[in-house]
Amino acid sequence: AQSVTQLGSHVSVSEGALVLLRCNYSSSVPPYLFWYVQYPNQGLQLLLKYTTGATLVKGINGFEAEFKKSETSFHLTKPSAHMSDAAEYFCAVSSANQAGTALIFGKGTTLSVSS
Amino acid sequence: DAGVTQSPTHLIKTRGQQVTLRCSPKSGHDTVSWYQQALGQGPQFIFQYYEEEERQRGNFPDRFSGHQFPNYSSELNVNALLLGDSALYLCASSALGQGSTDTQYFGPGTRLTVL
Repeated sequence: AQSVTQLGSHVSVSEGALVLLRCNYSSSVPPYLFWYVQYPNQGLQLLLKYTTGATLVKGINGFEAEFKKSETSFHLTKPSAHMSDAAEYFCAVSSANQAGTALIFGKGTTLSVSS
Repeated sequence: DAGVTQSPTHLIKTRGQQVTLRCSPKSGHDTVSWYQQALGQGPQFIFQYYEEEERQRGNFPDRFSGHQFPNYSSELNVNALLLGDSALYLCASSALGQGSTDTQYFGPGTRLTVL
């Protein structure tokens, strides 16, 4: 079985500060890992994904994440927060061994950015 | 290129009624997955359709059923609505038949309120 834990349901940063959103996963098979962002009253937008290869993954809007197998983590970072980054962020995992499997999501982290 | 579209945007029903939600996948995609997102929670997988058949199912009762049409669009049906079915229902599409890397693209969702 697979699961995702997002540490911290709410993270607050100042504009220009580092953003760090934590995600740990559990999977008995090699995982595919994803970060999605959700703005109020909207669907989910893919920020970045890890499938195979390079463990440091760069996504849209200046976000990046690093897959650390030994720590079963896939934390999301951005060097400098912008007001427009305020949203809900979800980490998700699926199985690399079976294409097209369901995404298992964490409970989400709300990012607030203050000026 | 149109993304994933869903209809209706909002829906209000009463307990015991039945509801049908609709989804059109992104152009070139052949697989549709449905998720339920309760308020303040991450999305939960309901089921996935590929080649007009239910390919995977999450932990949802039989009151939740679906269908996929030859043009790859899909419907989600919920019978005997309960108050707890109130949620945002998200549709996601992917390209399983074309060697997918498991990226699912989400629509804006349908907000269902059960009174």
